[in-house]
Amino acid sequence: KNEVEQSPQNLTAQEGEFITINCSYSVGISALHWLQQHPGGGIVSLFMLSSGKKKHGRLIATINIQEKHSSLHITASHPRDSAVYICAAYDPYTDKLIFGTGTRLQVFP
Amino acid sequence: DTAVSQTPKYLVTQMGNDKSIKCEQNLGHDTMYWYKQDSKKFLKIMFSYNNKELIINETVPNRFSPKSPDKAHLNLHINSLELGDSAVYFCASSLQRKGGTTGEQYFGPGTRLTVT
Repeated sequence: KNEVEQSPQNLTAQEGEFITINCSYSVGISALHWLQQHPGGGIVSLFMLSSGKKKHGRLIATINIQEKHSSLHITASHPRDSAVYICAAYDPYTDKLIFGTGTRLQVFP
Repeated sequence: DTAVSQTPKYLVTQMGNDKSIKCEQNLGHDTMYWYKQDSKKFLKIMFSYNNKELIINETVPNRFSPKSPDKAHLNLHINSLELGDSAVYFCASSLQRKGGTTGEQYFGPGTRLTVT
């Protein structure tokens, strides 16, 4: 079992829908990263958070440290949001990012 | 003004060859990483360097040797390439924060290595 689990693995949505991707981790962490990997392969860092909530445009990330759970929300989804979303937990004891297996999102017009 | 660049973007080579992938960052970061992404798109750390010093060395074959000539560069040399080395290799960089946590990581575009 991976130390960082994401759900769902695959997600399809119609344009305009509200999207939620979940991430649970079992290790003690000091920060949680959300990454976006485009179909072309490039990886972009969306958020890094250690508590509470962050918002960039239509993207919102939340984390609950006690429950060891984070969510990424996309409001008013758009086809250009189609990508793989990866959460990664930073383990300060090993100084490593531990990656989830990713959630493939497809948004149809 | 690319932040993290890698060369080459694509690399096709035969088994047994030796090849290198180069990475450079112009963000002033002090920590650089090599990740391997397998065919199932799973990312895994291979190495990290902080201020040119090796910090993380995962259990990768010793055919893989990273070299950091300065804080802005981290190269990956692979000897005697095998079929199983085919993957996408990503370089990344970050700034270490107080308390040892890593800041946001910035990724290069990746190098798709195909070993035939």
